[in-house]
Amino acid sequence: AQKITQTQPGMFVQEKEAVTLDCTYDTSDPSYGLFWYKQPSSGEMIFLIYQGSYDQQNATEGRYSLNFQKARKSANLVISASQLGDSAMYFCAWPGSARQLTFGSGTQLTVLP
Amino acid sequence: EAEVAQSPRYKITEKSQAVAFWCDPISGHATLYWYRQILGQGPELLVQFQDESVVDDSQLPKDRFSAERLKGVDSTLKIQPAELGDSAMYLCASSLTGGRRDTQYFGPGTRLTVL
Repeated sequence: AQKITQTQPGMFVQEKEAVTLDCTYDTSDPSYGLFWYKQPSSGEMIFLIYQGSYDQQNATEGRYSLNFQKARKSANLVISASQLGDSAMYFCAWPGSARQLTFGSGTQLTVLP
Repeated sequence: EAEVAQSPRYKITEKSQAVAFWCDPISGHATLYWYRQILGQGPELLVQFQDESVVDDSQLPKDRFSAERLKGVDSTLKIQPAELGDSAMYLCASSLTGGRRDTQYFGPGTRLTVL
């Protein structure tokens, strides 16, 4: 069975510091990369970043970057210069064989002032 | 910026009642998804449409849930009768073509409470 694992249920980071959120995948077909989404307490799932597994360089979108390591089957999200508004739940998701997204269990990030 | 619209944002109902959720995807998006998210978990797919056709409804409890996208644009998800275990966030998403590298964009969700 396809499995996306986020081992950090909760993380704390000081404002303006960087933080890494972990995600590992155990799928039969990792060729389509991984997505990361942010879910604030309001509930909306906000797309942050995507990287295809064969992309040569790690994806970057503003303060978000992906550290994709195929040998370790990991696709960690790095948030630089954390802001109070970054406090939210973060999910990684794999586009499965049925074209649906398989989500991890999420990491609750809290940014401290 | 184009967004996925959902209504209502919140719904409180009693068990055995019928409820309906509406979703309007981003204009031009052929693929529409309904997900259910139980508190503390990631979303799980209920049903996927490609235009007006159902592509995947294998996780939809068909004895009580139904979904339609009659003209291939907006969609309705219905639960009848609602049960206590249906309390969850119902998220609608859309993507341009449904390809596996296609980004799914989500609406604000409907938070359902069944009493």
